Amino acid sequence: AQTVTQSQPEMSVQEAETVTLSCTYDTSESDYYLFWYKQPPSRQMILVIRQEAYKQQNATENRFSVNFQKAAKSFSLKISDSQLGDAAMYFCAYRSYTGANSKLTFGKGITLSVRP
Amino acid sequence: DGGITQSPKYLFRKEGQNVTLSCEQNLNHDAMYWYRQDPGQGLRLIYYSQIVNDFQKGDIAEGYSVSREKKESFPLTVTSAQKNPTAFYLCASSIERQRTNEKLFFGSGTQLSVL
Repeated sequence: AQTVTQSQPEMSVQEAETVTLSCTYDTSESDYYLFWYKQPPSRQMILVIRQEAYKQQNATENRFSVNFQKAAKSFSLKISDSQLGDAAMYFCAYRSYTGANSKLTFGKGITLSVRP
Repeated sequence: DGGITQSPKYLFRKEGQNVTLSCEQNLNHDAMYWYRQDPGQGLRLIYYSQIVNDFQKGDIAEGYSVSREKKESFPLTVTSAQKNPTAFYLCASSIERQRTNEKLFFGSGTQLSVL
């Protein structure tokens, strides 16, 4: 079974600084997607960034980028120039495209606080 | 505007009572999902449906039931067999098997509490 591990329950960053959130996953499959979702205090889930496993290039969305290490099964999220609005819970997630299993598996999340 | 609507926002359940959480989407998505969120537990999959009139159990289906009679609707019933129902419930949908636009769209959630 696929598992997603976020080992850091909380992190803090100074406004305008850079922070990296860690995520590892376990799978025997080769065709899959990885995601980072943000959940602010409103509790609305928002997609931050996604990475297709077959693409070697790391995904980037404005101030958000990933470091995807397929062999190491690592998928970290880097937030540059942190803003107060980045304070939220961040969830790493995995979705396989092999066979009939298409469910999304989430990690336990990390709470990010941003210090002004 | 297209999206996913969950209702009610807050729900209270009495002991031994069944309650139903509503989830409606007008995005014409094939797949719909129900997740449960507890503090420190992340999101755990309860049930999912990839097509009308078909659904599969997720990781924590015991004490829950669903139906998928219409493409737009995927209601979740929390039965009296679910002994610890207090949690935040999230409904989501996605276009199944469209890799170029792969992502889940989420509703705003329902907070269920036991009286």
